[in-house]
Amino acid sequence: GENVEQHPSTLSVQEGDSAVIKCTYSDSASNYFPWYKQELGKRPQLIIDIRSNVGEKKDQRIAVTLNKTAKHFSLHITETQPEDSAVYFCAASKGTNAGKSTFGDGTTLTVKP
Amino acid sequence: GAGVSQTPSNKVTEKGKYVELRCDPISGHTALYWYRQSLGQGPEFLIYFQGTGAADDSGLPNDRFFAVRPEGSVSTLKIQRTERGDSAVYLCASSGNTGELFFGEGSRLTVL
Repeated sequence: GENVEQHPSTLSVQEGDSAVIKCTYSDSASNYFPWYKQELGKRPQLIIDIRSNVGEKKDQRIAVTLNKTAKHFSLHITETQPEDSAVYFCAASKGTNAGKSTFGDGTTLTVKP
Repeated sequence: GAGVSQTPSNKVTEKGKYVELRCDPISGHTALYWYRQSLGQGPEFLIYFQGTGAADDSGLPNDRFFAVRPEGSVSTLKIQRTERGDSAVYLCASSGNTGELFFGEGSRLTVL
């Protein structure tokens, strides 16, 4: 089955700096890669996703890049703000059932004001 | 409803007891998923429904776990003879055509 590794497990940055979280996956058939943000005690919420037919996607301060050959994808947050502090999860799934995702173990991001 | 609704939000039970966790998905979403999230880990897939049938139950850890969705909307996750290792947050999610998962707030299960 699919295996998703996520690094780092914790990340602390100063407000205004950039943050990068990286994930690798094992199943070359995976073609949908969502990122979820989970605040303490809350539900995971999708913040951005990318499909395997593109290499990069941006949404305001958030971007995701995908390298299919190396089987890794990354989340980039620019101009970080204290409200970006949360746990971020990457995930991978196949197009036949995009909702059946394998998640990484999460990255706890702390943005210091 | 506006979002995925799960009840109860918290459940404390004793080892060996039976529990039921309920999920009410977003109206019109035919796909429904149960995930389990242990402390410090990402959600782990348990079971997937497309309509009324369990299309994929490969994530259920053993035969103490069972889930139903009799009318293709509300789903119930059932756990028999609970064990302390079953303690976790059980997340339900529903999905439309895009594959994006819309999660509920979860049911936190504590087995004493």
